[in-house]
Amino acid sequence: EAQVTQNPRYLITVTGKKLTVTCSQNMNHEYMSWYRQDPGLGLRQIYYSMNVEVTDKGDVPEGYKVSRKEKRNFPLILESPSPNQTSLYFCASSSRSGRTYNSPLHFGNGTRLTVT
Amino acid sequence: AQSVTQLDSHVSVSEGTPVLLRCNYSSSYSPSLFWYVQHPNKGLQLLLKYTSAATLVKGINGFEAEFKKSETSFHLTKPSAHMSDAAEYFCVVSDRDTGKLIFGQGTTLQVKP
Repeated sequence: EAQVTQNPRYLITVTGKKLTVTCSQNMNHEYMSWYRQDPGLGLRQIYYSMNVEVTDKGDVPEGYKVSRKEKRNFPLILESPSPNQTSLYFCASSSRSGRTYNSPLHFGNGTRLTVT
Repeated sequence: AQSVTQLDSHVSVSEGTPVLLRCNYSSSYSPSLFWYVQHPNKGLQLLLKYTSAATLVKGINGFEAEFKKSETSFHLTKPSAHMSDAAEYFCVVSDRDTGKLIFGQGTTLQVKP
């Protein structure tokens, strides 16, 4: 089954404790992206990757890191989480390449992160 | 710069009645537009997309949307709501230069029995 898998689904942590949210897709997609969803703000892009070893900042990259060493995996790293990073996070992938603009995104089921 | 505005944050309908979720966009050229649906505790799922072919686009689960350039709108409709349609809906525009997707703030659809 074609899917984007995120882990964990729920995570509660404390300020400053490094964490990683994993994302994996089995569709051989070039493009992958991370979003955060907050009430009243819709989805905002954190980072995206056009292909292996190619990553770029989205709209809200501060406090986050990503890596793309393999095509299928795109982990999101919070080196020193803070309470304002409490949110619902989504990983997504797409077959879009270059700047193609009409390929839809396939989303994971989300990771709900709470930082206390 | 492109943008998208969903005109209603909440819409409530009775089961069996029509659904209308409104979306306006701003773009300097003909955009690509999408509607996504998010059910509770799930990721977003593509409902339909417009990419400059037919202006009336049919999607999954009986939904459709009409692209109206003169009104810069892309409203989502369904003739008869079902309880399973209760979810959050996002209108999305794709920036043709960067491929970036710009999300609306979402509309929560409530369906009453």
